[in-house]
Amino acid sequence: DGGITQSPKYLFRKEGQNVTLSCEQNLNHDAMYWYRQDPGQGLRLIYYSQIVNDFQKGDIAEGYSVSREKKESFPLTVTSAQKNPTAFYLCASSNQGIPDTQYFGPGTRLTVL
Amino acid sequence: KQEVTQIPAALSVPEGENLVLNCSFTDSAIYNLQWFRQDPGKGLTSLLLIQSSQREQTSGRLNASLDKSSGRSTLYIAASQPGDSATYLCAPQGAAGNKLTFGGGTRVLVKP
Repeated sequence: DGGITQSPKYLFRKEGQNVTLSCEQNLNHDAMYWYRQDPGQGLRLIYYSQIVNDFQKGDIAEGYSVSREKKESFPLTVTSAQKNPTAFYLCASSNQGIPDTQYFGPGTRLTVL
Repeated sequence: KQEVTQIPAALSVPEGENLVLNCSFTDSAIYNLQWFRQDPGKGLTSLLLIQSSQREQTSGRLNASLDKSSGRSTLYIAASQPGDSATYLCAPQGAAGNKLTFGGGTRVLVKP
């Protein structure tokens, strides 16, 4: 059963804490992406990785960090420097080399208390 | 920088009516354009992908057109059903880095 999994589904964070969101895929995709979605809005790109051990900033990378040590995994850390982290976070993956559709995970809703 | 606009932001129709969702984008240098569906609190599901060389793409009751030169795409949903109620997002894919730029979406409600 191939796909993308994200955990946890809901996450609560106190101000000043760092939290890490998990994203795993078994589609053998080279490229992975992290997006943020605010209520009633489209998705904005945070970070993306086209290959293991390499990643690039997207449009709103400030206050976030990522790693790509394995092809299957692309965790996102929301740091205390992110001023307004409450949002819905979506991870996606795609084939690399040819333009291809992106496949999305079910998302993680992060709330800052 | 690519900017994507979707009009209308929300749409409510009775069951059986055809739906027309519009998407406009500012940079015509794209590889393709994708339409996604999002149910409340869920991830995105890919509906259609139109290559930049294509004019339209069809899947069942869904048909999407692309006019790259004028920066427009339209998603048509024929004979709408209550199960079509969702938010529909369009996203042109840029020539560099395979990056998608999303519009704000059109929230559709099909009333029985």
